[in-house]
Amino acid sequence: AQSVAQPEDQVNVAEGNPLTVKCTYSVSGNPYLFWYVQYPNRGLQFLLKYITGDNLVKGSYGFEAEFNKSQTSFHLKKPSALVSDSALYFCAVRDVREYGNKLVFGAGTILRVKS
Amino acid sequence: EAGVAQSPRYKIIEKRQSVAFWCNPISGHATLYWYQQILGQGPKLLIQFQNNGVVDDSQLPKDRFSAERLKGVDSTLKIQPAKLEDSAVYLCASSLGLLASGSNEQFFGPGTRLTVL
Repeated sequence: AQSVAQPEDQVNVAEGNPLTVKCTYSVSGNPYLFWYVQYPNRGLQFLLKYITGDNLVKGSYGFEAEFNKSQTSFHLKKPSALVSDSALYFCAVRDVREYGNKLVFGAGTILRVKS
Repeated sequence: EAGVAQSPRYKIIEKRQSVAFWCNPISGHATLYWYQQILGQGPKLLIQFQNNGVVDDSQLPKDRFSAERLKGVDSTLKIQPAKLEDSAVYLCASSLGLLASGSNEQFFGPGTRLTVL
């Protein structure tokens, strides 16, 4: 069964600095990988996904993520953080070989960007 | 384009009572999901529908939870009777379709926050 680990409960970064939110995954086959963001009292919003092809994926709001198959990682990055990026971030994985479209989510990482 | 709609947004009940949540997915989305998000955890899939058929309900506590999507559009999730541990946010999501491959992202509603006292 697939699983996702987000090793950091919280990431703190100063506005204007680069940010990284870490994610590692485990699947039997090939993965589809996703990042979602959740603001208080709101549902999850899709940021970006890796399906196949280029290992560097660009998404919404200037975020990008790098797929690393050998390290089974899919870290979320942004070159210059904004205070408005402060939110809860979830990494999710789906095993391509599994029937259905079941996503398995990590526990989430709180990102705090300070001005 | 309208997003996924859910109601109510908040619900407080006492244990052993019943409760129902409603979801209307994005128009044209064949696949609908119900997730349970307990505080401090990621969402956990409860049930997935493809049109009006169940694709996966392996994590649905069927002794107390039920869900339906009779006409393949909106859906209801019911809990009867509720337990304290059911306190969580219940998220509904939709995506274009299962057969279009699992690469389609899911679009989430705002959720229903359930408190069981």
